[in-house]
Amino acid sequence: EAGVTQFPSHSVIEKGQTVTLRCDPISGHDNLYWYRRVMGKEIKFLLHFVKESKQDESGMPNNRFLAERTGGTYSTLKVQPAELEDSGVYFCASSLTKGAGDTQYFGPGTRLTVL
Amino acid sequence: GQNIDQPTEMTATEGAIVQINCTYQTSGFNGLFWYQQHAGEAPTFLSYNVLDGLEEKGRFSSFLSRSKGYSYLLLKELQMKDSASYLCAVHENNAGNMLTFGGGTRLMVKP
Repeated sequence: EAGVTQFPSHSVIEKGQTVTLRCDPISGHDNLYWYRRVMGKEIKFLLHFVKESKQDESGMPNNRFLAERTGGTYSTLKVQPAELEDSGVYFCASSLTKGAGDTQYFGPGTRLTVL
Repeated sequence: GQNIDQPTEMTATEGAIVQINCTYQTSGFNGLFWYQQHAGEAPTFLSYNVLDGLEEKGRFSSFLSRSKGYSYLLLKELQMKDSASYLCAVHENNAGNMLTFGGGTRLMVKP
């Protein structure tokens, strides 16, 4: 079974540009999460989808970040316009259910560098 | 909010045993996960504890004490491939389904 995949693996853009990250969850997983790790910090939650609906977006830093999951399959995270502090590794995870203890399976991340 | 602490780095010798500690403060504990992450790769699930005690899974074991807000990951018969970061993450019952992570412990296994 394929795991969580993310594209691209790396992205280097200039401040003010737009970048779109993509995540394909494990097939059949209704729950999809975005996290990010900025340099020297811990991994932090951004938001949680259940199918196509945003269940929790309390971690989204500001309105420059837009996440979508049309059709309830893959998800995109767009940063527009990108700022220097947006640099970091963006992880996607998925889980079968949203119950306590349900394991979240992570993708390898997209390393975003904003110059 | 939560405060999750784990050592930044540890070094151990191949074949030895190492214990990686994690302490947490939370208002509504609902489980603790350990993940392993090799550089540039996805964090991979190792263990889940929600009740007090020890969960053993091959060379890896994880322990939880809810009253002390404490967990550890025990790695036995260390192998070079165990060199990685180990992430402690807590699920809080009034915080949706998000995981709150510690900073990770980078383990270096030496010959």
